[in-house]
Amino acid sequence: GAVVSQHPSWVICKSGTSVKIECRSLDFQATTMFWYRQFPKQSLMLMATSNEGSKATYEQGVEKDKFLINHASLTLSTLTVTSAHPEDSSFYICSAREAGGRADTQYFGPGTRLTVL
Amino acid sequence: SQQGEEDPQALSIQEGENATMNCSYKTSINNLQWYRQNSGRGLVHLILIRSNEREKHSGRLRVTLDTSKKSSSLLITASRAADTASYFCATDVQGAQKLVFGQGTRLTINP
Repeated sequence: GAVVSQHPSWVICKSGTSVKIECRSLDFQATTMFWYRQFPKQSLMLMATSNEGSKATYEQGVEKDKFLINHASLTLSTLTVTSAHPEDSSFYICSAREAGGRADTQYFGPGTRLTVL
Repeated sequence: SQQGEEDPQALSIQEGENATMNCSYKTSINNLQWYRQNSGRGLVHLILIRSNEREKHSGRLRVTLDTSKKSSSLLITASRAADTASYFCATDVQGAQKLVFGQGTRLTINP
């Protein structure tokens, strides 16, 4: 089955530093990838949708300059949290939609837990 | 923005009992999906029901969809301790090309 990986699985950083999270589709090509954020005991909130080779589409209220998304290849998307602060601490989850696959199917990664001190 | 409202927010039952979770949404959808999430882990896709379907089964799972009421329910029969998790509904909103998740139900199965 389709597998999506995320790296790192967890990261702890100091306030003011930038953190990059990778999302990879391991056995399929993903034209579209999605980034979600989940605070403790809350639901997933969509942050942005990225299509390979084009700029990401951000949801309302998500700062594009703070959450930089790059989807340079059909198997990799990255989310960079710039100048991270404690309020950015969260569980970040990506998902991927297969190129030429069913539009209603997203495959989710295992998530990355970010803790900003 | 969140579309789905789920109830209950938390549910605790004894092993062997049935668990029912409900989800309501606001806009027209292509389909509705249910996911499970164990604490601190990623999402597991459980079942997808299309807007033209009313009921679907998968093993111990039964999902219903009522588009006139914009609501869905997930029934887990003969619950097991391993079913302890958070359950989320997600709607594939028409014209939006994205999933919108509900608030989730935290299910606890007591042995």
